[in-house]
Amino acid sequence: QQQVKQSPQSLIVQKGGISIINCAYENTAFDYFPWYQQFPGKGPALLIAIRPDVSEKKEGRFTISFNKSAKQFSLHIMDSQPGDSATYFCAASKGFYGGSQGNLIFGKGTKLSVKP
Amino acid sequence: NAGVTQTPKFQVLKTGQSMTLQCAQDMNHNSMYWYRQDPGMGLRLIYYSASEGTTDKGEVPNGYNVSRLNKREFSLRLESAAPSQTSVYFCASSLAGYNYEQYFGPGTRLTVT
Repeated sequence: QQQVKQSPQSLIVQKGGISIINCAYENTAFDYFPWYQQFPGKGPALLIAIRPDVSEKKEGRFTISFNKSAKQFSLHIMDSQPGDSATYFCAASKGFYGGSQGNLIFGKGTKLSVKP
Repeated sequence: NAGVTQTPKFQVLKTGQSMTLQCAQDMNHNSMYWYRQDPGMGLRLIYYSASEGTTDKGEVPNGYNVSRLNKREFSLRLESAAPSQTSVYFCASSLAGYNYEQYFGPGTRLTVT
């Protein structure tokens, strides 16, 4: 049973465009939602994360939008650049407010290609 | 700081052989993890160690064992490798628990023939 559904599987965007990746979750107990970026041959690295007490978090060109009622969150990459070409994973876990022993559940990933 | 290091980078095993994947971190983190990554499957947790001296099963523990040797080192052992264990294995560490940033190693690409 997949608890975090990520879409699309792959995305091609022109340089300067907006990349949008969506995730939906099922477990309402989740309270931590990170996004990881992975370049070929490398391990994933944390890009940005959000907790459900806010609806949006922005760091540079990267923004997470969070909709608690719809149980959805998304990553927006503004002014996408060829260097952003990578695989992006959303994830979710529970336990931040009550102790962090919950499992980090990853989506299946989105391969982003930004064309020059 | 080297961060999280993993050895080896690549390994080919025959079915039934055993091996140990090594992981070490120099960030004084308490928690360490082993994941496997398969095409189209994302990352799945095999085992984790919340702190030195403790280990727990993750989502896909069958066929694996782990040892938290000390605070720095967390090893993953395949006792009798199977083709289904062909994957890329990542070790990660965090200061404490799942809701702190996890830092990943560069991965070990394992092929079982």
